[in-house]
Parts: sequence; structure tokens; C-alpha cells
Amino acid sequence: GQQLNQSPQSMFIQEGEDVSMNCTSSSIFNTWLWYKQEPGEGPVLLIALYKAGELTSNGRLTAQFGITRKDSFLNISASIPSDVGIYFCAGPRGGAGGTSYGKLTFGQGTILTVHP
Amino acid sequence: NAGVTQTPKFRVLKTGQSMTLLCAQDMNHEYMYWYRQDPGMGLRLIHYSVGEGTTAKGEVPDGYNVSRLKKQNFLLGLESAAPSQTSVYFCASRSRIETQYFGPGTRLLVL
Repeated sequence: GQQLNQSPQSMFIQEGEDVSMNCTSSSIFNTWLWYKQEPGEGPVLLIALYKAGELTSNGRLTAQFGITRKDSFLNISASIPSDVGIYFCAGPRGGAGGTSYGKLTFGQGTILTVHP
Repeated sequence: NAGVTQTPKFRVLKTGQSMTLLCAQDMNHEYMYWYRQDPGMGLRLIHYSVGEGTTAKGEVPDGYNVSRLKKQNFLLGLESAAPSQTSVYFCASRSRIETQYFGPGTRLLVL
């Protein structure tokens, strides 16, 4: 089945540092989503990407839809303590074709810890 | 506007007991989903519904049943709980064109 592989699995950084994480798949995706989950909460959508090569920003967050449509990247600039959480990539189940009914496949997540 | 709510927030069950998790959304969304989250495995889809009265299996449906009798509610049932069902359960909903909104989760411990 479809799998999304995220790396790194975890990151420990100092406040103010930039962060980069990525998500790869053996299948093509037409949409890439990045979610953040804070402790004790459900995932919240950060950025949605709909076109190969697309670069989209949301404040200090920037995400890119890979040209091959098999990967995506998320960068966080000048990290702050409230960036702590688990970051998930996700894409529609069914990949490039078929009706996915909004079902999502998730990566295993990148755990981010920011030291003040 | 509460978004997606889940009850209960936390529950402890003994092996073999049954329970129902309730998800409610007030956004008039057509689609609703149940996921489970386990350490190092991300979120995996259990069951989903594309409208009132419809349900379908997801990636890991065994041991669970669902019902969508009302558009705003999606129930997840465990008929005979097993320790392997210890997890955090998330409900989500979406309209036909938007992305998914998640509830706060239900933590379930099966002893």
C-alpha cells in the first residue's frame, strides 16, 4: 500500500535555529498536506500544496511540492518554543488517480523539540 | 461553532468490554473519518463515511464498527476490546472541497 516516509524522526534544536524536514513516497501524489499536532490535541493543517514545484509559505513556515510529485519539504525559520510538536505530512489515499473521498495517508511524523 | 468534538476524552477498559466513541461536528460536513494514532506510526484510517447512512472500511477496520445515523455524528464501536486497541483515536470531518478538521482525540487504555 501507499506509504509516506518522514525524516528525521525527531529533532532537538535551539530556539532561533531553522528546521528542515521532508516526506517521501514511492507513489505519486497530487496533493501534499502538512499538519502539526501539539501535545494532547488533534492535528491542525499548516499548509496545503496542490501543484508540482509549488512553494507556499505560512508565516515562518515554507513548504514545497517536489517536482517528481513523490516528495515534499517543510522548513521552519527562526524556531520558537511554541513550534514544539509533531509534524505530519499527508496525501490523499489513492494517489494520482481514482476517488479518494478525502481519505488521507499520513507519514509517521517528525517530533520537534525546541530548547529556549 | 465548536468544530469537531469527541467524547469521552479518556477511558480505561478491561479486555472484552465494549464501548462507543462519539464524534460530533457542527460544520455540516459530508465526510467523516475515524483514525487511530500509535507511537511511530502516524495516523491510520479505521473507517470513514461519505454521507449520512453510509460507512466504509479504511486501512485498519478489524475489531471496530461504525454508524452514521445522523449527518453530524459518527460513532466508533468496539464490541470486545483488546489490549492491541490501546491507542489515541481521532475523528475528522471535511466538506467536499476542504481539507480535514480533527477533533481533540480520545485516549483509550485496554487492560
